Amino acid sequence: DSGVTQTPKHLITATGQRVTLRCSPRSGDLSVYWYQQSLDQGLQFLIQYYNGEERAKGNILERFSAQQFPDLHSELNLSSLELGDSALYFCASSTRRTGELFFGEGSRLTVL
Amino acid sequence: AQSVTQPDIHITVSEGASLELRCNYSYGATPYLFWYVQSPGQGLQLLLKYFSGDTLVQGIKGFEAEFKRSQSSFNLRKPSVHWSDAAEYFCAVGFSGTYKYIFGTGTRLKVLA
Repeated sequence: DSGVTQTPKHLITATGQRVTLRCSPRSGDLSVYWYQQSLDQGLQFLIQYYNGEERAKGNILERFSAQQFPDLHSELNLSSLELGDSALYFCASSTRRTGELFFGEGSRLTVL
Repeated sequence: AQSVTQPDIHITVSEGASLELRCNYSYGATPYLFWYVQSPGQGLQLLLKYFSGDTLVQGIKGFEAEFKRSQSSFNLRKPSVHWSDAAEYFCAVGFSGTYKYIFGTGTRLKVLA
């Protein structure tokens, strides 16, 4: 158990819909990362927050957005969903810069 | 440009055989180096990490990795593979003073009984 909690574990929805994925980092970790893992794209960095502020942005689509709340949990919002958005979405947290990342078990999104 | 390369997409070994998974990085300085393992349907678990010091790093589950600066490599090894080691392995680098990480594309390990 990494201490990072992600909900829901599985989600099935239809194209055009909007979903929210939630992540609770390890106790004390201020930094949260979101990754997308699909079969053809591997592990892709989406976005990172530190103590409520966005710090780095990767290959995140404009249809996707995220935020980190004062209690440090984070949400990833995916809208106007397309079939290609079907993937595993991982959250990871870290205590400090370049320290190891601790990953949650992921949220598997299936878009039909 | 900064990059991480895992040249082997798939590797198959027999149970009890030795294993080496390759990882090369491209970066002007020495990054922080990590190996993660992902079992099917699971998240990524840290196997080991290198920040500085001894270039041979011991990790969990009997894995070790050696940092070779001259080759910009951080190869993962295990002397005797168990069937439960079948998984996908990711090499990653982090950059001192930043929040940035780059992951390799992964190596999928299959273990034959």
